[in-house]
Amino acid sequence: AQSVSQHNHHVILSEAASLELGCNYSYGGTVNLFWYVQYPGQHLQLLLKYFSGDPLVKGIKGFEAEFIKSKFSFNLRKPSVQWSDTAEYFCAVSHTGGFKTIFGAGTRLFVKA
Amino acid sequence: DVKVTQSSRYLVKRTGEKVFLECVQDMDHENMFWYRQDPGLGLRLIYFSYDVKMKEKGDIPEGYSVSREKKERFSLILESASTNQTSMYLCASGLQGGRTEAFFGQGTRLTVV
Repeated sequence: AQSVSQHNHHVILSEAASLELGCNYSYGGTVNLFWYVQYPGQHLQLLLKYFSGDPLVKGIKGFEAEFIKSKFSFNLRKPSVQWSDTAEYFCAVSHTGGFKTIFGAGTRLFVKA
Repeated sequence: DVKVTQSSRYLVKRTGEKVFLECVQDMDHENMFWYRQDPGLGLRLIYFSYDVKMKEKGDIPEGYSVSREKKERFSLILESASTNQTSMYLCASGLQGGRTEAFFGQGTRLTVV
């Protein structure tokens, strides 16, 4: 079955620390990859997406993600986190031409000021 | 800005009641989705619709139905609410095809007592 795994459910970092959130998927064929973020009290919103081309994609607020096809991974990174990055982060995968997007269980990030 | 509006932020209903959750989007998107969000489980797709009056079951459709009479409106119906349907419900919309992101509403936190 198609699935998305996020390695960490809870991450606590101090400000200025580097962040890497893992995401692995099990999907055959061509995939589209997303990271969404949900700030406290706000709706889910897109952080970045990958469809094709350069496997290193940059998103909003200094986030980036790298697609490694051989590892079925799409890890999210930020070199220096801020208190305002405290949120829940979701990795998601869809099939080109498909309707369904499969979400991971989410990672709650807490950044200490 | 795309706007997806859910009719209620918080609802409390009794076991056995029929519950309607309404969602409206203003971007003329073909696709609309209902997810439920539970801690540690991420977002799970309940139903989606790719056109007016068209609907498809997602991964967890049991106990739910949907209605899409107009392109901009997608309703989720709990025929007879049960306590295990206590959850956060998220509506989303998007363009056709897997290469587009979903736009989410604020969510409805439903408590069934």
